[in-house]
Amino acid sequence: DTGVSQDPRHKITKRGQNVTFRCDPISEHNRLYWYRQTLGQGPEFLTYFQNEAQLEKSRLLSDRFSAERPKGSFSTLEIQRTEQGDSAMYLCASSLDLTSGMFSDTQYFGPGTRLTVL
Amino acid sequence: AQKVTQAQTEISVVEKEDVTLDCVYETRDTTYYLFWYKQPPSGELVFLIRRNSFDEQNEISGRYSWNFQKSTSSFNFTITASQVVDSAVYFCALSEVQGAQKLVFGQGTRLTINP
Repeated sequence: DTGVSQDPRHKITKRGQNVTFRCDPISEHNRLYWYRQTLGQGPEFLTYFQNEAQLEKSRLLSDRFSAERPKGSFSTLEIQRTEQGDSAMYLCASSLDLTSGMFSDTQYFGPGTRLTVL
Repeated sequence: AQKVTQAQTEISVVEKEDVTLDCVYETRDTTYYLFWYKQPPSGELVFLIRRNSFDEQNEISGRYSWNFQKSTSSFNFTITASQVVDSAVYFCALSEVQGAQKLVFGQGTRLTINP
């Protein structure tokens, strides 16, 4: 039974470059969440998917951020024209919703992708 | 709006001591979930417990216990006979029961257990 996996684990990039992160949820989980965690803070919600549909986005998710989950399985989070303020840990979580969008099981997290923008 | 406050930024104790991590929350929802997650140095958030607001019974799991008091909007976490492996950052979180059920986290408490 594999957990949530994320790739890469670390990414160092120069300001202005584009980066893409991947998240593979627990196989039967139909919900997938992205969070961002800056140093010394708790994670903050960015967006979530129910299967392939992106149902909610935080105001933290600026126009430079885009997330996809094309087949309802893995998800990608892309940041365009990175800025130093984007440096953070990007966490992915998944959960199982058995009730057609009403109630969901506990969210389980991946190891995160640590982004450093120079 | 939902809010979680963990007033203790850092706690340091000697091994085998008992330690309690405080969590206070705010929500207008009548039903909600409360959680505790552990984040060891490796960075991955490890789920510890989920509690439905309907269920105010305290829970014990080995050396861990949780005290949920709806009247004071608190969900405190106690580690009995602490061990060095308990050293981590601990997060309390809150979510709605329906809809996105996104987690709202506190700032975390860094717990250091010294040998």
